[in-house]
Amino acid sequence: DAGVTQSPTHLIKTRGQQVTLRCSPKSGHDTVSWYQQALGQGPQFIFQYYEEEERQRGNFPDRFSGHQFPNYSSELNVNALLLGDSALYLCASSSPSPLNTEAFFGQGTRLTVV
Amino acid sequence: DQQVKQNSPSLSVQEGRISILNCDYTNSMFDYFLWYKKYPAEGPTFLISISSIKDKNEDGRFTVFLNKSAKHLSLHIVPSQPGDSAVYFCAASAYGGATNKLIFGTGTLLAVQP
Repeated sequence: DAGVTQSPTHLIKTRGQQVTLRCSPKSGHDTVSWYQQALGQGPQFIFQYYEEEERQRGNFPDRFSGHQFPNYSSELNVNALLLGDSALYLCASSSPSPLNTEAFFGQGTRLTVV
Repeated sequence: DQQVKQNSPSLSVQEGRISILNCDYTNSMFDYFLWYKKYPAEGPTFLISISSIKDKNEDGRFTVFLNKSAKHLSLHIVPSQPGDSAVYFCAASAYGGATNKLIFGTGTLLAVQP
C-alpha cells in the first residue's frame, strides 16, 4: 500500500503565477482534504472533497480551488500566487466509515513563491 | 481565534523518562481528538486518538487523557526514546471523527536527550 502520495515534493513559483498540486489517496479512501502549513504553525484546513464535490471549506480565498477525479485523486490549484502562499501543502485521505479513526497524510508539497 | 492551543512550543526530557504534552481547546462541539507526530520534510504521522465518550486511550507507550470539563487533553509517552524527538500536533474535529476537518494546534517540539 503506497499510502498518500503527493507531487511534486518541491516547487518554486513566481508571484502572480498559478500552481497545481496533486494527491493520490490511500487505497480504499474516497475523501481527500487539503491543508496549508505555514512555518511554525499547525496545518490549516483548506477544503475537503468527497464524491468529486467540495464538501467543506476553510477560511481561504477563492484563489484556492480544487478538484477530485473519479479515481478519488485530487488537485489543489492556487491562482495569482502571493508571497504569503509559501508553505507546506498537505493532503490527507480518509474513509467515511464510522469506524474510521484517523486521517492519513502525505509527505507534502513545499511551495516557495518568490 | 485559535480553537486548539498547545501552549508549550518545546519540551526536553531525558531518555527513559515520561514526556507529557498538553493541549487545550475552546470549542465544546469538538468530539474527537487526535495526536500526530511530524518529522522534518515528512507529513504528519498518526499516533493515537480519543473520542469524547472516553477519558483515556492507551496504545503501547502512548496514552491520551481527555478532561472534557477542563477542555484539556494530554499525551503521555512512557518511556521516552530518542526516536520520539519530533513535533507533536494535537488536532480536534466535530461531528465525524477523523473524516471531518481537523483543527490543529501549533505543535510542541519534543527533544528526548540520550
